[in-house]
Amino acid sequence: EAQVTQNPRYLITVTGKKLTVTCSQNMNHEYMSWYRQDPGLGLRQIYYSMNVEVTDKGDVPEGYKVSRKEKRNFPLILESPSPNQTSLYFCASSYQAGTVPYEQYFGPGTRLTVT
Amino acid sequence: GNSVTQMEGPVTLSEEAFLTINCTYTATGYPSLFWYVQYPGEGLQLLLKATKADDKGSNKGFEATYRKETTSFHLEKGSVQVSDSAVYFCALRSSGYALNFGKGTSLLVTP
Repeated sequence: EAQVTQNPRYLITVTGKKLTVTCSQNMNHEYMSWYRQDPGLGLRQIYYSMNVEVTDKGDVPEGYKVSRKEKRNFPLILESPSPNQTSLYFCASSYQAGTVPYEQYFGPGTRLTVT
Repeated sequence: GNSVTQMEGPVTLSEEAFLTINCTYTATGYPSLFWYVQYPGEGLQLLLKATKADDKGSNKGFEATYRKETTSFHLEKGSVQVSDSAVYFCALRSSGYALNFGKGTSLLVTP
């Protein structure tokens, strides 16, 4: 089954304790992306990756890091989480070919609470 | 820059009512337009899309027409069901691969 998986689905942590949210896709997609969803703000892009070892900032990258060492995985790293990073996080992936608007597939989401 | 504006929710309708969720956009060039749906506790799923002016996207009884003259992509369904209760997001993709999302419109359909 084609899917994007995220782990963990729920996480409660404390300020300053480093954490990683994993994202994996089994569709051989080149493009992967992280979004955060906040009430009244919709989804905002954090980081994205066009392929292995190619990453770039989205609209709200501050406080986050990513890496893309393998095509299927795109972990999101919070080196020192703060309460304003409490949010619902989604990973997404899609094919990439010129300007064709391929569908982005979304993971189930990770609800993060930072106290 | 690119932006998407959706009507504020929540929208509450009775089963079999007609649905319209308004979406307008600002973008450079010729964006592709999308509607995504998020059911409770789940990620987003593509509902429909349109890639050029006057295209009509349709799926599961939902429709939306890409209107370049009014920069709009309104979502419609003739007869909603309780199972349509969800949050609906309008989105655009201009250059690159990033999606610009609206803030979402929550729909509740009552029996």
